[in-house]
Amino acid sequence: AQSVTQLDSQVPVFEEAPVELRCNYSSSVSVYLFWYVQYPNQGLQLLLKYLSGSTLVKGINGFEAEFNKSQTSFHLRKPSVHISDTAEYFCAVTLNQGGKLIFGQGTELSVKP
Amino acid sequence: SAVISQKPSRDICQRGTSLTIQCQVDSQVTMMFWYRQQPGQSLTLIATANQGSEATYESGFVIDKFPISRPNLTFSTLTVSNMSPEDSSIYLCSVGGRAGTPPDTQYFGPGTRLTVL
Repeated sequence: AQSVTQLDSQVPVFEEAPVELRCNYSSSVSVYLFWYVQYPNQGLQLLLKYLSGSTLVKGINGFEAEFNKSQTSFHLRKPSVHISDTAEYFCAVTLNQGGKLIFGQGTELSVKP
Repeated sequence: SAVISQKPSRDICQRGTSLTIQCQVDSQVTMMFWYRQQPGQSLTLIATANQGSEATYESGFVIDKFPISRPNLTFSTLTVSNMSPEDSSIYLCSVGGRAGTPPDTQYFGPGTRLTVL
């Protein structure tokens, strides 16, 4: 069975500092990988996705993620965060394009001035 | 991406009652799903809403508790039946793939925040 582990439940960081949110997955077959962001009292918004091709994926709001098959990781990074990036971030995987998403527990990013 | 709306956005209900949540998409989509997000938790798939046939439920979720309809390619409903305080959650619908194209990504509605007293 597939699973997703987000290694940090909370990440506090100062404004304009770099940040990395870690995500590891477990699967015996190839997967498709996603990062979603949930701002307070809102639904989920897609940040970026890896389906195939280049392992470095760029998304919205200056975020990027790198797929590492050997380490089964898909860490999310941003070189300089803003207050407005404060939100919950979810990593998710699926076996089939358009199929069931399995989510990690989420990482709460808190950006302080 | 598709524009997805959910009604109601939030509700407070008494135990033992039922609530039907609507999900409307602005274009025809191949896949529609319903997820639950319990307080402080991640998302868990309840079921896949199948157009013209019975929904496919995940382990731990049953049709009697969460009946789902999907009469066409743009609309679905989820009913939370005989509610208890444990059903207090955010319920989100997601959609994947405009009709006629491979669905590779799910997009989420704004969610329905349900509180059961």
